[in-house]
Amino acid sequence: QLQLQESGPGPVKPSETLSLICTVSGDSISNNNYYWGWVRQPPGKGLEWIGSVYHSGSTFYNPSLKSRVIISVDTSKNQFSLKVTSVTAADTAVYFCARLPGGFQNWFDPWGQGTLVTVSS
Amino acid sequence: DIQMTQSPSSLSAFVGDRVTITCRASQTINNFLNWYQQKTGKAPKLLISAASTLQSGVPSRFSGSGSGTDFTLTIGSLQPEDFATYYCQQSYITPLTFGGGTKVEIK
Repeated sequence: QLQLQESGPGPVKPSETLSLICTVSGDSISNNNYYWGWVRQPPGKGLEWIGSVYHSGSTFYNPSLKSRVIISVDTSKNQFSLKVTSVTAADTAVYFCARLPGGFQNWFDPWGQGTLVTVSS
Repeated sequence: DIQMTQSPSSLSAFVGDRVTITCRASQTINNFLNWYQQKTGKAPKLLISAASTLQSGVPSRFSGSGSGTDFTLTIGSLQPEDFATYYCQQSYITPLTFGGGTKVEIK
């Protein structure tokens, strides 16, 4: 059964870099049929797609965040990661990782449980 | 970016009621529309993909329809476990975008 699990170091100070890892189990991240993505949800608000990555390293980013986001993949560890630079309080959110079939089938399924990242001094 | 507008933003209903949630795209997205259910403190769960394809394990009381710019999610007979927030999401073009959500509450 495919499972995704987010992990990260905890609170982040303003202007620093947020770093998260998503560990995939039950499937190979090198599966040619899928992309892997990040979505975030500020407390009490809606969902925002951050970006997606293919096992080759090809990436797609939301233009609203593109200048501050890096998504990468480590096939040897079956993981992919997210970095958001120069964070502010507006980056406080639950961050989810998920799998996407790609192309027009860009739906998110399944999702990790999510991890709350708080940006605070 | 394609804007996704859901209505209503919240609704109250009785167990057993038929519930309809609407999602409108700011431009045509063919049938590349997906629906999710999110319960408090949990990750979203994919219910319906490509406007009307029910995911494995999702009860048949859930159904989706629509094409172009206007879509609906219908819960045929609301059950206690269906009280949650529902989101639509377009997969026609990046950036992938979500609707603002519809919170379904107990009446």
